[in-house]
Amino acid sequence: AQSVTQLDSQVPVFEEAPVELRCNYSSSVSVYLFWYVQYPNQGLQLLLKYLSGSTLVKGINGFEAEFNKSQTSFHLRKPSVHISDTAEYFCAVSDRDNYGQNFVFGPGTRLSVLP
Amino acid sequence: NAGVMQNPRHLVRRRGQEARLRCSPVKGHSHVYWYRQLPEEGLKFMVYLQKENIIDESGMPKERFSAEFPKEGPSILRIQQVVRGDSAAYFCASSPVPRVDQPQHFGDGTRLSIL
Repeated sequence: AQSVTQLDSQVPVFEEAPVELRCNYSSSVSVYLFWYVQYPNQGLQLLLKYLSGSTLVKGINGFEAEFNKSQTSFHLRKPSVHISDTAEYFCAVSDRDNYGQNFVFGPGTRLSVLP
Repeated sequence: NAGVMQNPRHLVRRRGQEARLRCSPVKGHSHVYWYRQLPEEGLKFMVYLQKENIIDESGMPKERFSAEFPKEGPSILRIQQVVRGDSAAYFCASSPVPRVDQPQHFGDGTRLSIL
């Protein structure tokens, strides 16, 4: 069974500062990894995904993430955040054999960008 | 292009009543997934359906919960005899094929409150 840990439940950061949101996973098989963003009262939007190939993945809105297999991590980064990045961020994993039918989500990290 | 449409956005029920949540997938998508998000938690997979078939209901509570995706019309998540613990946000997602490189598109959710 897979699980996802997001150690930071809340991350406050000042506008234009860099940010890193941490994600660690556990799985006995190879996985696909995702980051989703949820704005208040909305559904989830896909930020980026790692399926295979380069371990550095670039997504929308200037975000990127790096897959580290040895550390079982997939941390999300942005070099300079904006007020509009304030939202909840979820890391998710899917078993490669599951064809994405069943995502396992982390508990989320609430990013608050302060002026 | 309409995305995943869920209604109602907010639903209030008293204990013991029935709740019906509707989800219209993206046009052309025949795969629907339901997730539940409890306060301060990530999304938990409930059920995966194709038209007229339940493919994976491993995340559904054994009692009071049911889901369908008829040949015509929206997918329905039905909760009978609701209890306080059913209060949550329920999200529907759809995809054209059940492959993880075809990401799921999420609706804005139905927020269910049980009095």
